[in-house]
Amino acid sequence: EAQVTQNPRYLITVTGKKLTVTCSQNMNHEYMSWYRQDPGLGLRQIYYSMNVEVTDKGDVPEGYKVSRKEKRNFPLILESPSPNQTSLYFCASSFEGLRSREKEPGEQFFGPGTRLTVL
Amino acid sequence: AQKITQTQPGMFVQEKEAVTLDCTYDTSDPSYGLFWYKQPSSGEMIFLIYQGSYDQQNATEGRYSLNFQKARKSANLVISASQLGDSAMYFCAMREVTNYQLIWGAGTKLIIKP
Repeated sequence: EAQVTQNPRYLITVTGKKLTVTCSQNMNHEYMSWYRQDPGLGLRQIYYSMNVEVTDKGDVPEGYKVSRKEKRNFPLILESPSPNQTSLYFCASSFEGLRSREKEPGEQFFGPGTRLTVL
Repeated sequence: AQKITQTQPGMFVQEKEAVTLDCTYDTSDPSYGLFWYKQPSSGEMIFLIYQGSYDQQNATEGRYSLNFQKARKSANLVISASQLGDSAMYFCAMREVTNYQLIWGAGTKLIIKP
């Protein structure tokens, strides 16, 4: 089954304790992205990756790190979490190959979300 | 400036009625895509429908259709014969070919009344 998986689904941690949220996709997608969702603010992009070893900042990258060593995995790292990083996090992926007509951006497939609470 | 605007923070609709969720966008890129996602109370993001900027016809997927008015930069989602299970947050999003970011609207909370 084609899917994006995230782990853990729920996490409660304390300020300053490093954590990693894993993301994996089995669709051979080039593009992967991390979002955070906060009430009233919609989804905001943290980081994205166009392919292995290619990453770039989104709108809210402060306090986060990512890596893309393999095509299928795109972990999100919080080196020193703070309470303002309490949020719902989504990983997403999409195919970026050329299409038969005008080049169109790809549909993004989302993981189930990770609800993070930093005390 | 807002690139995606959803003007309806919340809507109540009677079951079995059709509902239109508004979305306007702003871009100068001639090639872009518009997406609608549904987020039920369980939290997952569910892709509903996609419209490419060069598509000549409005996209349809089952009970979902997209009323695409390119000149007005509007991409409204129409849900026909609404059901109780349609109650959720609905997000409009846009992606320009020259920009790999997916830009999101603030969402519309839809509640279907029995």
